[in-house]
Amino acid sequence: AQSVTQPDIHITVSEGASLELRCNYSYGATPYLFWYVQSPGQGLQLLLKYFSGDTLVQGIKGFEAEFKRSQSSFNLRKPSVHWSDAAEYFCAVGNTGGFKTIFGAGTRLFVKA
Amino acid sequence: GAVVSQHPSRVICKSGTSVKIECRSLDFQATTMFWYRQFPKQSLMLMATSNEGSKATYEQGVEKDKFLINHASLTLSTLTVTSAHPEDSSFYICSARDILAGGQGRDTQYFGPGTRLTVL
Repeated sequence: AQSVTQPDIHITVSEGASLELRCNYSYGATPYLFWYVQSPGQGLQLLLKYFSGDTLVQGIKGFEAEFKRSQSSFNLRKPSVHWSDAAEYFCAVGNTGGFKTIFGAGTRLFVKA
Repeated sequence: GAVVSQHPSRVICKSGTSVKIECRSLDFQATTMFWYRQFPKQSLMLMATSNEGSKATYEQGVEKDKFLINHASLTLSTLTVTSAHPEDSSFYICSARDILAGGQGRDTQYFGPGTRLTVL
């Protein structure tokens, strides 16, 4: 069955510290992988996506993610967190064609001064 | 970049009434749009896939007679919550694919800002 697991319900980091949000997926074919960010009461903004090619993907706002097929992971990273990064982060997996996207449960990021 | 709008952004209605939510792709054409529902502090759950000019495809457990979807044009899909009840209160989010985008862009969904529905 297709699924996305975000093991951390919430994470707290200090401003300026590095960040890694974990994502593991289960998918029968080569997945398309996404990270989205959602601020309270808002829709989703695409941070980055992986379809093929270089397994290290650069996104907006200084985020990057690395696709590791052997570990079925697509972890999101940022070297230095800003207070404005506090939000909910969703990892998602999809495919072309029918293009159903399955979302993880989300990880709430708190940033402390 | 591709923009998807939703209207209204929030709506409060009485139990038993119907509410229509619009999803528009503003600068691209979308043969396929998706409707999601999000409960507080939870993830997005796909409700249905809206296909321009044909019937929507509903996910298991979603009542098609309660959540009516119409995709009459390449830029507009509507979700109507019929005979709404308090348990229908939720955050509804739509997304759309840009059919004319090349390469990987074609397989990217663009999300609307969401509609907060509160049924009293």
